[in-house]
Amino acid sequence: DTAVSQTPKYLVTQMGNDKSIKCEQNLGHDTMYWYKQDSKKFLKIMFSYNNKELIINETVPNRFSPKSPDKAHLNLHINSLELGDSAVYFCASSLAGTGTETQYFGPGTRLLVL
Amino acid sequence: GENVEQHPSTLSVQEGDSAVIKCTYSDSASNYFPWYKQELGKGPQLIIDIRSNVGEKKDQRIAVTLNKTAKHFSLHITETQPEDSAVYFCAASNTGNQFYFGTGTSLTVIP
Repeated sequence: DTAVSQTPKYLVTQMGNDKSIKCEQNLGHDTMYWYKQDSKKFLKIMFSYNNKELIINETVPNRFSPKSPDKAHLNLHINSLELGDSAVYFCASSLAGTGTETQYFGPGTRLLVL
Repeated sequence: GENVEQHPSTLSVQEGDSAVIKCTYSDSASNYFPWYKQELGKGPQLIIDIRSNVGEKKDQRIAVTLNKTAKHFSLHITETQPEDSAVYFCAASNTGNQFYFGTGTSLTVIP
């Protein structure tokens, strides 16, 4: 069974559209994350979230918003998509979010904004 | 915040040779240093990690060393194999629940 899954795997859309990426983990973890990986492979944290706290990287535009219907899911909503949003987005999870434990990554969603 | 630098950005080695990737960090409060391997089209996967109370850790062909005084840590892969070809990321973290990743090293093992 896949530990961290994301859908869709590929997403091609037009500028200005609104889209969502879904993430689910079946590890029983308390904390989930969203990362953005740009064309140079640089991995940057966007959000970390557990049932108590949402931590937002201050450089992330407010067009991006995480939504968690329950502990096992953390979806990423993106409004008014821009060309610069094209990237690979990874969801990850960890047991407690202490910062000193393994993070398990999903397979990524490749977003292309035209 | 933390700043993690990683070198080299690309590395090619002959099969059977060793590969070394180095990272430096800036925040002395960082106390957890994982290494992730990312294969083409996949998400990063943890291969080894080290905590600040340990100077070296080894797992079969992979080892990591940490020099807290100098604020640098390194990944060593011995007897490289073609399946070791991937992008490797170092990261630094503390109890603030945020990983700061290095810029990645693309390793190619030439058969």
